[in-house]
Amino acid sequence: GAGVSQSPRYKVAKRGQDVALRCDPISGHVSLFWYQQALGQGPEFLTYFQNEAQLDKSGLPSDRFFAERPEGSVSTLKIQRTQQEDSAVYLCASSSGPNNEQFFGPGTRLTVL
Amino acid sequence: QQQVKQSPQSLIVQKGGISIINCAYENTAFDYFPWYQQFPGKGPALLIAIRPDVSEKKEGRFTISFNKSAKQFSLHIMDSQPGDSATYFCAARGRGSNYKLTFGKGTLLTVNP
Repeated sequence: GAGVSQSPRYKVAKRGQDVALRCDPISGHVSLFWYQQALGQGPEFLTYFQNEAQLDKSGLPSDRFFAERPEGSVSTLKIQRTQQEDSAVYLCASSSGPNNEQFFGPGTRLTVL
Repeated sequence: QQQVKQSPQSLIVQKGGISIINCAYENTAFDYFPWYQQFPGKGPALLIAIRPDVSEKKEGRFTISFNKSAKQFSLHIMDSQPGDSATYFCAARGRGSNYKLTFGKGTLLTVNP
């Protein structure tokens, strides 16, 4: 595709539900990043993949957050037992290399009731 | 600990005026300083970036000024237009394998016609 796509664009979950957020990076981009953007704040780093390897997950806020990229392309961010504080926009970005320009997707807005 | 501090939080400018947004950083390991523009419902998009070996970079109406000794950098938007109305984020990234972006909290710019 022409850019990074994310689905769903909006997700409403009841507290305690599990959710899965999908990211389709730009074709050929080896680096993939997930960021969390709370309302009125800047994005905050969650995790980084190079191909299928998760090289950094230091930003994941708790063990309820899990990300994978099994074939080095599409990535899924999973949040188990969602809490209200998980409500945010989850942004995915990809780049052709770890220190190259990061291209962001439109994000998934998660609302936990 | 907020590693990149951004001000002002919001800014209103008349069409044709100059918009100035400031950022300060703490981590001297940062060596790449991009500015992102974000429209509602969209992901951040790279606007312009600078490395600390230069004090200024200009691209069209957008200029970054960088003061390494003060650990400060700023974005100047000349001849501001209503289409520039968006949220602007400064960011920073470390050298080498430190690929994660650290963002400021953002500045909501409104350019009145």
